Amino acid sequence: KQEVTQIPAALSVPEGENLVLNCSFTDSAIYNLQWFRQDPGKGLTSLLLIQSSQREQTSGRLNASLDKSSGRSTLYIAASQPGDSATYLCAVYSGNTPLVFGKGTRLSVIA
Amino acid sequence: EPEVTQTPSHQVTQMGQEVILRCVPISNHLYFYWYRQILGQKVEFLVSFYNNEISEKSEIFDDQFSVERPDGSNFTLKIRSTKLEDSAMYFCASSLAANTEAFFGQGTRLTVV
Repeated sequence: KQEVTQIPAALSVPEGENLVLNCSFTDSAIYNLQWFRQDPGKGLTSLLLIQSSQREQTSGRLNASLDKSSGRSTLYIAASQPGDSATYLCAVYSGNTPLVFGKGTRLSVIA
Repeated sequence: EPEVTQTPSHQVTQMGQEVILRCVPISNHLYFYWYRQILGQKVEFLVSFYNNEISEKSEIFDDQFSVERPDGSNFTLKIRSTKLEDSAMYFCASSLAANTEAFFGQGTRLTVV
């Protein structure tokens, strides 16, 4: 059964810092991995989707990497801003069950 | 930009009552999903729907739950007799194919009292 873990559970950084969020999954036989942003009490906003054949994806200040064989993905946020404060969720699709989510990393960017 | 729309945003219901949560997926998408998130916990898969039938469901999705696509645009989740433990945020999602990007709605917060 696929399990997704995100470390750290919470992170607080000063504005302008570059940061890395980590996601690991137990079964490396995945089709893709998706990163989401969730604001308090709100829905999930898709940030990046990486297919299993890809190593990384970039969107603006965000860069996500995938190492399928080791069961890991990272989300790199460059030049963080207070507006980046949110919970970031990682989810994997393995083909047998739709998205399996991690518990998320709660990010606070302090001005 | 196309988006998934859910109504209502918040619903309060008494234990034992039936509730229907509504969703309008992105118009050209073919796969539809319901997930839920109990406060402080992970987002959990409930059910997926493709070609007018359930394609997968989790252990959570028992006989109290049902889904329907009553017309070409709406996708609904019905809970027949709500329990206190059904209180959660319910998310609808859709995707073009099973392995493509999933887009989520803003959620319906269900509170069972």
